[in-house]
Amino acid sequence: NAGVTQTPKFQVLKTGQSMTLQCAQDMNHEYMSWYRQDPGMGLRLIHYSVGAGITDQGEVPNGYNVSRSTTEDFPLRLLSAAPSQTSVYFCASSYMGHSYEQYFGPGTRLTVT
Amino acid sequence: TQLLEQSPQFLSIQEGENLTVYCNSSSVFSSLQWYRQEPGEGPVLLVTVVTGGEVKKLKRLTFQFGDARKDSSLHITAAQPGDTGLYLCAGAGMPSNQFYFGTGTSLTVIP
Repeated sequence: NAGVTQTPKFQVLKTGQSMTLQCAQDMNHEYMSWYRQDPGMGLRLIHYSVGAGITDQGEVPNGYNVSRSTTEDFPLRLLSAAPSQTSVYFCASSYMGHSYEQYFGPGTRLTVT
Repeated sequence: TQLLEQSPQFLSIQEGENLTVYCNSSSVFSSLQWYRQEPGEGPVLLVTVVTGGEVKKLKRLTFQFGDARKDSSLHITAAQPGDTGLYLCAGAGMPSNQFYFGTGTSLTVIP
C-alpha cells in the first residue's frame, strides 16, 4: 500500500493564481481531511470529508474549495492564491469510528509571492 | 481559536533524562491522540486514548488522558536522541468529525 500520497511536494505561486493540491489514499478510508501547518500554530483543519460526495468546513476554510468524487481522492483547490496561504499543507485519512486514527501524507510546501 | 494548548513549546534535554509534555483544554474531547512529526514529513500517530483516566504505555512513553477528558500528558523516560521531534496532541471534537491540534512541543535530545 502506498498509504496517503500528495502532489506536488513543492509549489511556488504568484498572488492571484489558482492551483489544485492532489491527495490520494489506497486504504479505503471514509474520512479524509486537509490541514495547514504554520510555525507556532500546530495543524489547523481546512476541510474534511466523511465519504464520497460529502464535504464540510473545518476551522480555516476561507480561500479553499474541496470535492470528493471518489473514496480515494480528495483534492484541495486554491482559486486565487494569497500570500497568507503560504504554508505546509497536509492531507490525512482514517476509518470512521471512535478513534479516527489518522494517516498523514508527506505534505506540500506552498509559497505564494 | 486554539482549543488545545501544549507546554512546553520547546524542550532541550540530555540523553537519559525524563520529561513530561502537557496538552490542556477547556473543551471535552471524545478521544485524544498523540503524534510525532519529523522535519519534512507528516505527523505519525503514536497513541489514541479514549476513556477518561486512561493510561497507555508505548515502550518508554506513557500517555495519560485526564479524568474529565479535557487534558492529556506524555511522559518519556530515559530520553534518547531518536525521540527528537515535534510532538503534537489532537483532540476529536463532539461529534468526532473534527480534529483540533495542539500548538506542538519541539523536543531535542542531546547525546
